[in-house]
Amino acid sequence: DTEVTQTPKHLVMGMTNKKSLKCEQHMGHRAMYWYKQKAKKPPELMFVYSYEKLSINESVPSRFSPECPNSSLLNLHLHALQPEDSALYLCASSPHDRQGRTEAFFGQGTRLTVV
Amino acid sequence: DAKTTQPNSMESNEEEPVHLPCNHSTISGTDYIHWYRQLPSQGPEYVIHGLTSNVNNRMASLAIAEDRKSSTLILHRATLRDAAVYYCILRDVIIQGAQKLVFGQGTRLTINP
Repeated sequence: DTEVTQTPKHLVMGMTNKKSLKCEQHMGHRAMYWYKQKAKKPPELMFVYSYEKLSINESVPSRFSPECPNSSLLNLHLHALQPEDSALYLCASSPHDRQGRTEAFFGQGTRLTVV
Repeated sequence: DAKTTQPNSMESNEEEPVHLPCNHSTISGTDYIHWYRQLPSQGPEYVIHGLTSNVNNRMASLAIAEDRKSSTLILHRATLRDAAVYYCILRDVIIQGAQKLVFGQGTRLTINP
């Protein structure tokens, strides 16, 4: 199984709503990532988890709250988002390799629209 | 974050080779060069990576300049399914074994039938 599964595929939420994005992988990878991608732009790194601990937060606003409850699961909790947060949210995982020589696997993403 | 420079777009014909260039003049001695591609409506997928020597796999070849300041991704016989945005990335900081992949603008490759 070389898949990273993201749910839901599409999400529409109001600015006062609370919602969560879910990402799952069963490849035994201990590094997991959240990226944000606006239309016609490259993916932007948001968070990096290593062994279920947050390693990198790229100065992401607190209305985005990541969580890694176990080695297979990564969540992104959303609260009080703005319309400009509408984007494709991508999850990725990679093997835990000190030389960083190995590939990252990406999910298909969740297309989020904030209204 | 180490930066890469790629042409915004390229066009080629089906069944012809495609050479996608990437400049990375600020590369450090331990940076690996990674290539990913993103097909329409999909997440990025790994293509190939290398450090110093040229590399081949079933998808593509990677030619790395001797001074490592540039590299070229080679698709030997492009198909319509190769139409995608191709990203050249210098694998950045390793934090506790997790790699920081920072995407540049990429090259949008169009394949003509």
